[in-house]
Amino acid sequence: QSVLTQPPSASGTPGQRVTISCSGTTSNVGRNSVHWYQQVSGAAPKFLIHTNDQRPSGVPDRFSGSKSGTSASLAISGLQSEDEADYYCATWDDNLNAMMFGGGTKLTVL
Amino acid sequence: QITLKESGPTLVKPTQTLTLTCTFSGFSLTTSGMGVGWIRQPPGKALEWLALIYWDDYKYYGPSLKSRLTITKGTSKNQVVLTMTNMDPVDTATYYCARAWPRDFDYWGQGTLVTVSS
Repeated sequence: QSVLTQPPSASGTPGQRVTISCSGTTSNVGRNSVHWYQQVSGAAPKFLIHTNDQRPSGVPDRFSGSKSGTSASLAISGLQSEDEADYYCATWDDNLNAMMFGGGTKLTVL
Repeated sequence: QITLKESGPTLVKPTQTLTLTCTFSGFSLTTSGMGVGWIRQPPGKALEWLALIYWDDYKYYGPSLKSRLTITKGTSKNQVVLTMTNMDPVDTATYYCARAWPRDFDYWGQGTLVTVSS
């Protein structure tokens, strides 16, 4: 059971907008930046969003992040088949003094 | 160009100690704020953060495995070593190393699958 809660699955059709949530507590999401990673099947995770809403160079602006209180979200607009992957949120937990990953959300493009 | 690569045994026996090496290039672990972390992923399961070491030799460990883990800088200045004692079949996973800057894992290695079996 992860400290950060994500829905196990999400889906959408090409062109749609989907959002993936990441719920934490005051000791983690509430106090620290949230990062998002994309993992295509069989590949290493890829850095997708940092510091809640910042896109690293090369990440399309279809991907956006936000945070409010103890919850964070990843939004993907203009969904494409290549977006089919597992998505993980991550943040530091001050109580555990440790990095935490969410349980992951499997995104299916229908 | 920043790269990281994990190396170590692909098969270990139960109760043995696993030693993995992360060899990196394109950045320096002497840079203020820089770190290298280890993350693992059992087959079909989620990512699990294991350990992190920073430029100043400060170390952090995942709470559930803390007693079994040791992270150190390697003898070579571009290496980080992770040891995990008392391996069990449930530790079968792909083990990744990644650059931490300072807590974003912005570059990842390709991962190495470690199987624990007698």
